[in-house]
Amino acid sequence: KAGVTQTPRYLIKTRGQQVTLSCSPISGHRSVSWYQQTPGQGLQFLFEYFSETQRNKGNFPGRFSGRQFSNSRSEMNVSTLELGDSALYLCASSRGGDNQPQHFGDGTRLSIL
Amino acid sequence: DQQVKQNSPSLSVQEGRISILNCDYTNSMFDYFLWYKKYPAEGPTFLISISSIKDKNEDGRFTVFLNKSAKHLSLHIVPSQPGDSAVYFCAASAREGAGKSTFGDGTTLTVKP
Repeated sequence: KAGVTQTPRYLIKTRGQQVTLSCSPISGHRSVSWYQQTPGQGLQFLFEYFSETQRNKGNFPGRFSGRQFSNSRSEMNVSTLELGDSALYLCASSRGGDNQPQHFGDGTRLSIL
Repeated sequence: DQQVKQNSPSLSVQEGRISILNCDYTNSMFDYFLWYKKYPAEGPTFLISISSIKDKNEDGRFTVFLNKSAKHLSLHIVPSQPGDSAVYFCAASAREGAGKSTFGDGTTLTVKP
Protein backbone atom coordinates (compact mmCIF):
# COMPACT_ATOMS: atom_id res chain seq x y z
CA LYS A 1 0.00 0.00 0.00
CA ALA A 2 1.55 3.30 -1.07
CA GLY A 3 2.17 5.83 1.68
CA VAL A 4 1.72 9.58 1.69
CA THR A 5 3.73 11.20 -1.09
CA GLN A 6 4.95 14.77 -0.94
CA THR A 7 6.59 16.67 -3.77
CA PRO A 8 9.04 18.19 -4.12
CA ARG A 9 11.30 16.93 -1.33
CA TYR A 10 13.48 20.05 -1.37
CA LEU A 11 12.84 23.58 -2.52
CA ILE A 12 14.85 26.80 -2.45
CA LYS A 13 13.10 30.12 -2.90
CA THR A 14 13.85 33.78 -2.27
CA ARG A 15 11.94 36.27 -0.17
CA GLY A 16 8.79 37.59 -1.79
CA GLN A 17 8.25 34.59 -4.04
CA GLN A 18 5.40 32.14 -3.71
CA VAL A 19 5.50 28.37 -3.54
CA THR A 20 3.12 25.42 -4.01
CA LEU A 21 3.65 22.09 -2.28
CA SER A 22 1.82 18.92 -3.22
CA CYS A 23 0.57 15.95 -1.22
CA SER A 24 -0.97 12.67 -2.36
CA PRO A 25 -2.65 10.84 0.53
CA ILE A 26 -2.96 7.13 1.13
CA SER A 27 -5.63 5.62 -1.10
CA GLY A 28 -9.01 5.79 0.64
CA HIS A 29 -8.00 8.57 3.02
CA ARG A 30 -10.21 11.63 2.75
CA SER A 31 -8.55 13.86 5.33
CA VAL A 32 -5.32 15.70 4.57
CA SER A 33 -3.60 17.89 7.15
CA TRP A 34 -0.56 20.13 6.83
CA TYR A 35 2.01 20.88 9.53
CA GLN A 36 5.07 23.09 9.77
CA GLN A 37 8.14 21.96 11.67
CA THR A 38 10.95 24.39 12.43
CA PRO A 39 14.29 23.40 14.02
CA GLY A 40 13.90 22.28 17.61
CA GLN A 41 10.14 22.68 17.45
CA GLY A 42 7.27 20.31 17.39
CA LEU A 43 4.81 20.23 14.55
CA GLN A 44 2.58 23.26 14.20
CA PHE A 45 -0.83 22.61 12.64
CA LEU A 46 -1.61 24.65 9.52
CA PHE A 47 -4.94 23.34 8.26
CA GLU A 48 -6.94 20.23 7.45
CA TYR A 49 -9.04 19.42 4.43
CA PHE A 50 -11.76 16.80 4.28
CA SER A 51 -13.80 16.11 1.16
CA GLU A 52 -12.46 19.24 -0.54
CA THR A 53 -13.49 21.51 2.37
CA GLN A 54 -11.25 23.14 4.95
CA ARG A 55 -12.40 21.59 8.19
CA ASN A 56 -9.84 22.94 10.66
CA LYS A 57 -7.41 25.84 10.61
CA GLY A 58 -4.38 26.70 12.72
CA ASN A 59 -2.98 30.08 13.69
CA PHE A 60 -1.02 30.96 10.59
CA PRO A 61 -1.36 34.13 8.51
CA GLY A 62 -3.44 34.27 5.36
CA ARG A 63 -0.29 33.90 3.25
CA PHE A 64 -0.66 30.20 3.94
CA SER A 65 -3.49 28.60 2.01
CA GLY A 66 -4.46 25.22 0.72
CA ARG A 67 -6.94 23.25 -1.26
CA GLN A 68 -8.03 19.67 -1.82
CA PHE A 69 -9.10 18.07 -5.05
CA SER A 70 -11.82 15.51 -5.68
CA ASN A 71 -9.24 12.69 -5.61
CA SER A 72 -8.19 13.87 -2.10
CA ARG A 73 -4.82 15.15 -3.30
CA SER A 74 -3.96 18.43 -1.64
CA GLU A 75 -1.80 21.44 -2.33
CA MET A 76 -0.47 24.07 0.02
CA ASN A 77 0.49 27.54 -1.16
CA VAL A 78 2.60 30.13 0.60
CA SER A 79 2.71 33.61 -0.89
CA THR A 80 5.13 36.48 -0.27
CA LEU A 81 7.69 34.18 1.31
CA GLU A 82 9.59 35.34 4.39
CA LEU A 83 12.86 34.05 5.85
CA GLY A 84 10.91 32.63 8.78
CA ASP A 85 8.97 30.35 6.44
CA SER A 86 12.04 28.15 6.11
CA ALA A 87 10.88 24.85 7.56
CA LEU A 88 9.94 21.25 6.94
CA TYR A 89 6.34 21.07 5.73
CA LEU A 90 4.64 17.79 6.50
CA CYS A 91 1.45 16.40 5.10
CA ALA A 92 -0.58 13.75 6.89
CA SER A 93 -3.60 11.76 5.81
CA SER A 94 -6.23 9.75 7.63
CA ARG A 95 -9.66 8.28 6.98
CA GLY A 96 -11.08 11.36 8.66
CA GLY A 97 -13.20 9.88 11.42
CA ASP A 98 -12.73 10.15 15.16
CA ASN A 99 -9.74 8.48 16.79
CA GLN A 100 -7.89 7.88 13.56
CA PRO A 101 -4.10 8.13 13.49
CA GLN A 102 -2.54 10.33 10.87
CA HIS A 103 0.04 8.96 8.48
CA PHE A 104 2.78 11.33 7.41
CA GLY A 105 4.76 11.87 4.27
CA ASP A 106 8.49 12.58 4.43
CA GLY A 107 7.92 16.31 4.01
CA THR A 108 9.11 19.12 1.80
CA ARG A 109 12.16 21.00 3.07
CA LEU A 110 11.65 24.66 2.11
CA SER A 111 14.60 27.05 2.35
CA ILE A 112 14.17 30.77 1.88
CA LEU A 113 17.23 32.80 0.85
CA ASP B 1 0.30 28.56 25.47
CA GLN B 2 1.71 25.11 24.75
CA GLN B 3 -1.09 22.61 25.24
CA VAL B 4 1.09 19.51 24.91
CA LYS B 5 4.44 19.45 26.67
CA GLN B 6 7.31 17.00 26.64
CA ASN B 7 9.55 18.33 29.37
CA SER B 8 12.54 16.12 28.63
CA PRO B 9 14.30 17.09 25.40
CA SER B 10 16.45 13.98 25.56
CA LEU B 11 16.70 10.58 27.21
CA SER B 12 19.51 8.04 27.15
CA VAL B 13 19.05 4.41 28.20
CA GLN B 14 20.99 1.18 27.97
CA GLU B 15 19.93 -1.52 25.52
CA GLY B 16 17.57 -3.99 27.16
CA ARG B 17 16.38 -1.57 29.83
CA ILE B 18 13.08 0.30 29.96
CA SER B 19 12.60 3.67 28.27
CA ILE B 20 9.93 5.93 29.73
CA LEU B 21 8.90 9.01 27.80
CA ASN B 22 6.52 11.49 29.41
CA CYS B 23 3.98 13.97 28.14
CA ASP B 24 1.66 16.44 29.85
CA TYR B 25 -1.33 18.25 28.39
CA THR B 26 -3.53 21.09 29.52
CA ASN B 27 -6.60 20.98 27.27
CA SER B 28 -9.34 18.91 28.90
CA MET B 29 -11.09 18.58 25.52
CA PHE B 30 -8.35 16.26 24.25
CA ASP B 31 -9.71 12.73 24.08
CA TYR B 32 -7.30 10.90 21.78
CA PHE B 33 -3.58 10.65 22.32
CA LEU B 34 -0.84 9.36 20.06
CA TRP B 35 2.87 8.73 19.99
CA TYR B 36 4.92 9.14 16.85
CA LYS B 37 8.51 8.22 16.15
CA LYS B 38 10.66 10.23 13.78
CA TYR B 39 13.99 9.41 12.16
CA PRO B 40 16.06 12.14 10.48
CA ALA B 41 14.96 12.99 6.94
CA GLU B 42 11.73 11.03 7.34
CA GLY B 43 8.21 11.96 8.35
CA PRO B 44 6.81 10.92 11.73
CA THR B 45 5.61 7.32 11.93
CA PHE B 46 2.57 6.44 14.00
CA LEU B 47 3.53 4.21 16.92
CA ILE B 48 0.63 3.74 19.30
CA SER B 49 -2.47 5.58 20.48
CA ILE B 50 -4.93 5.61 23.34
CA SER B 51 -8.47 6.85 23.71
CA SER B 52 -9.51 8.76 26.82
CA ILE B 53 -11.86 5.93 27.80
CA LYS B 54 -8.84 3.73 28.47
CA ASP B 55 -5.89 4.05 30.80
CA LYS B 56 -3.53 1.63 29.09
CA ASN B 57 -2.85 0.35 25.60
CA GLU B 58 -0.19 -2.16 24.72
CA ASP B 59 1.37 -3.15 21.40
CA GLY B 60 4.35 -5.46 21.60
CA ARG B 61 7.22 -3.69 23.32
CA PHE B 62 5.29 -0.41 23.48
CA THR B 63 2.77 0.52 26.16
CA VAL B 64 1.05 3.87 26.60
CA PHE B 65 -0.45 4.87 29.93
CA LEU B 66 -2.96 7.66 30.37
CA ASN B 67 -3.72 9.42 33.65
CA LYS B 68 -6.62 11.75 32.86
CA SER B 69 -6.84 13.30 36.32
CA ALA B 70 -3.19 14.34 36.11
CA LYS B 71 -3.43 15.13 32.37
CA HIS B 72 -0.36 12.98 31.86
CA LEU B 73 0.60 10.18 29.53
CA SER B 74 3.70 8.12 29.17
CA LEU B 75 5.20 5.72 26.67
CA HIS B 76 7.08 2.69 27.95
CA ILE B 77 9.42 0.75 25.67
CA VAL B 78 10.54 -2.61 27.03
CA PRO B 79 13.12 -3.83 26.24
CA SER B 80 14.76 -0.88 24.52
CA GLN B 81 16.76 -1.57 21.37
CA PRO B 82 19.33 0.58 19.53
CA GLY B 83 16.91 0.83 16.59
CA ASP B 84 14.51 2.66 18.88
CA SER B 85 16.85 5.65 18.89
CA ALA B 86 14.77 8.46 17.35
CA VAL B 87 12.74 11.53 18.23
CA TYR B 88 9.43 10.68 19.88
CA PHE B 89 6.49 13.06 19.62
CA CYS B 90 3.45 13.03 21.81
CA ALA B 91 0.25 14.32 20.16
CA ALA B 92 -3.35 14.92 21.18
CA SER B 93 -6.60 15.69 19.42
CA ALA B 94 -10.14 16.59 20.38
CA ARG B 95 -13.31 15.05 18.96
CA GLU B 96 -14.28 18.17 17.05
CA GLY B 97 -10.80 18.43 15.57
CA ALA B 98 -10.19 14.91 14.34
CA GLY B 99 -7.72 15.99 11.66
CA LYS B 100 -5.95 18.48 13.89
CA SER B 101 -3.36 17.11 16.26
CA THR B 102 -1.43 19.21 18.75
CA PHE B 103 2.15 18.03 19.13
CA GLY B 104 4.77 18.31 21.84
CA ASP B 105 8.29 19.41 20.95
CA GLY B 106 9.64 15.87 21.03
CA THR B 107 12.06 13.82 23.10
CA THR B 108 15.23 12.44 21.54
CA LEU B 109 15.76 8.87 22.74
CA THR B 110 19.20 7.33 22.50
CA VAL B 111 19.52 3.62 23.24
CA LYS B 112 23.13 2.64 23.85
CA PRO B 113 24.32 -0.87 22.92
